[in-house]
Amino acid sequence: GALVYQYPRRTICKSGTSMRMECQAVGFQATSVAWYRQSPQKTFELIALSTVNSAIKYEQNFTQEKFPISHPNLSFSSMTVLNAYLEDRGLYLCGAGLGGRPDTQYFGPGTRLLVL
Amino acid sequence: AQSVTQPDARVTVSEGASLQLRCKYSYSGTPYLFWYVQYPRQGLQLLLKYYSGDPVVQGVNGFEAEFSKSNSSFHLRKASVHWSDSAVYFCVLKYNNAGAKLTFGGGTRLTVRP
Repeated sequence: GALVYQYPRRTICKSGTSMRMECQAVGFQATSVAWYRQSPQKTFELIALSTVNSAIKYEQNFTQEKFPISHPNLSFSSMTVLNAYLEDRGLYLCGAGLGGRPDTQYFGPGTRLLVL
Repeated sequence: AQSVTQPDARVTVSEGASLQLRCKYSYSGTPYLFWYVQYPRQGLQLLLKYYSGDPVVQGVNGFEAEFSKSNSSFHLRKASVHWSDSAVYFCVLKYNNAGAKLTFGGGTRLTVRP
């Protein structure tokens, strides 16, 4: 089946510092990679979406300056949270799309970010 | 704009009872609909998906969902729940097949009493 790994699973950083998280699709080439955030007691918000042959598209309230993403190939993506503050804490999920109809997102276990 | 509403934030049932988790969506076109489950301290796992055809779709672990265009709904059902089904369930809408933006409902926290 489709597997998506994320690293690290959990991380703590000091307020104002930055941290990088990675996403790896195993056994398939993702046609799209999306990063989502689940803040405490909330649902999932899309941060940005990267599809084959297209530029990375950020959702409103999220910017490349704050959440730079690297998507060098169809199996790997990384995202950095720059200058993390309390409101950035939460679970960050990477979803990789297999293509087809419907194009289904398969998610990694997430990176849980705590900000002190 | 598209949206997903899960009217029940929390549902509690006894083990062995039947279950229905409600989901209503708002979208004028043909939706792609999914149910995902989030177990404690884990990411999201796909339960089932619907695009076209038979409005009743079967998923993993005995779950099924029924699409209703007239009611704009995609309710999740299970005939007999197990304590291990306790988790948060998300109804998700995708408004086209290109790209991957998903619109999530608020989630329903299911507690199954032993």
